[in-house]
Amino acid sequence: AQSVTQLGSHVSVSEGALVLLRCNYSSSVPPYLFWYVQYPNQGLQLLLKYTTGATLVKGINGFEAEFKKSETSFHLTKPSAHMSDAAEYFCAVSHMIYNQGGKLIFGQGTELSVKP
Amino acid sequence: GAVVSQHPSWVICKSGTSVKIECRSLDFQATTMFWYRQFPKQSLMLMATSNEGSKATYEQGVEKDKFLINHASLTLSTLTVTSAHPEDSSFYICSARPGQSIWISNQPQHFGDGTRLSIL
Repeated sequence: AQSVTQLGSHVSVSEGALVLLRCNYSSSVPPYLFWYVQYPNQGLQLLLKYTTGATLVKGINGFEAEFKKSETSFHLTKPSAHMSDAAEYFCAVSHMIYNQGGKLIFGQGTELSVKP
Repeated sequence: GAVVSQHPSWVICKSGTSVKIECRSLDFQATTMFWYRQFPKQSLMLMATSNEGSKATYEQGVEKDKFLINHASLTLSTLTVTSAHPEDSSFYICSARPGQSIWISNQPQHFGDGTRLSIL
């Protein structure tokens, strides 16, 4: 069975500071990993994804994440936070198994606040 | 690219009414679409997986007769909440995965903007 754990339901940083949102996964097969962002009353927007290949993946809006198999982690980072980064962030995992249809398993979400 | 349109964005209706929500992939074809429900300050809960031309697969605990899903084409899936009651009030979100094969699960899901359903 797969699962995703996001450490910290709420993270607060100052504008310009490093953003680090933690995600650990559990999967018995090679995972596909995703980070999504959700603004209030909106759907989810894909930030970045890892499927195969390079373990450091870059996404939109200056975000990046590194897949670390040994640590079963896929933490999201951004060097310098911007006020517009304030939102809810979800880490998700899926895998290539036919009868799962590519279902996403989501973490609980982390609300990011950015202080001026 | 990869735009998913969900309509309507907000619905307020009386108890007992049936409500239909549409999910369209505008610039790609999607064999598989997903329907989620989200409660305030919580994560997304998968309700069902919708495959074009076949019956939807519902998650455990989701009432099939309550939440009717139709995926008649590669660009459209609908969710109908039948005889809606106040406890059905929620934020419903659809997503679509590009591709014409259910094997392509490394493709990311693209989400609609959600539908806020309020039952009085």
